[in-house]
Amino acid sequence: RKEVEQDPGPFNVPEGATVAFNCTYSNSASQSFFWYRQDCRKEPKLLMSVYSSGNEDGRFTAQLNRASQYISLLIRDSKLSDSATYLCVVSNAGNMLTFGGGTRLMVKP
Amino acid sequence: EPEVTQTPSHQVTQMGQEVILRCVPISNHLYFYWYRQILGQKVEFLVSFYNNEISEKSEIFDDQFSVERPDGSNFTLKIRSTKLEDSAMYFCASSRDRGQETQYFGPGTRLLVL
Repeated sequence: RKEVEQDPGPFNVPEGATVAFNCTYSNSASQSFFWYRQDCRKEPKLLMSVYSSGNEDGRFTAQLNRASQYISLLIRDSKLSDSATYLCVVSNAGNMLTFGGGTRLMVKP
Repeated sequence: EPEVTQTPSHQVTQMGQEVILRCVPISNHLYFYWYRQILGQKVEFLVSFYNNEISEKSEIFDDQFSVERPDGSNFTLKIRSTKLEDSAMYFCASSRDRGQETQYFGPGTRLLVL
């Protein structure tokens, strides 16, 4: 079983749409959770950390369900500039980040 | 805004040659990392480094790989004898602390082994 599993997509949505991505992780000892964004041939950039209580940053909302080992990201009012690959990332008590394969989002005009 | 820098941006080498990839982490960061991403695949952890020693490494980081902080600013990844399968994008990252602390990634070095 993959450590961090994501639907690769692509998700093709029109501007203004709401889109949700899901991710599951296998290591129940995982302690930190993140969504990173990666543009084509660029480095991953932190979008947001994910907390047990859920958290929101503008149009982006992240949720964590530890019992189900499930993380989600909701993007409201999609913009063309949101087109990218979204990486679900978990880490244990140490420093190692474990990445999912990413979900590709294409926002169309 | 401070950022992680990496050189070179691209490196082409012959199989069996040694390569050194260079990184300058963010200046007040204490933890340093190398990751790699083979084209079309996920980002994979190689190694983390703190207080002048390796703190964690993956199965990928075998005896062909080594890391060093030769001075107060640079952090290097050396591949002793490159193989075709070492072709990938190599990302350096740094963080102030471990755990929940954000790891900031450099722009990467694209390595092509022929």
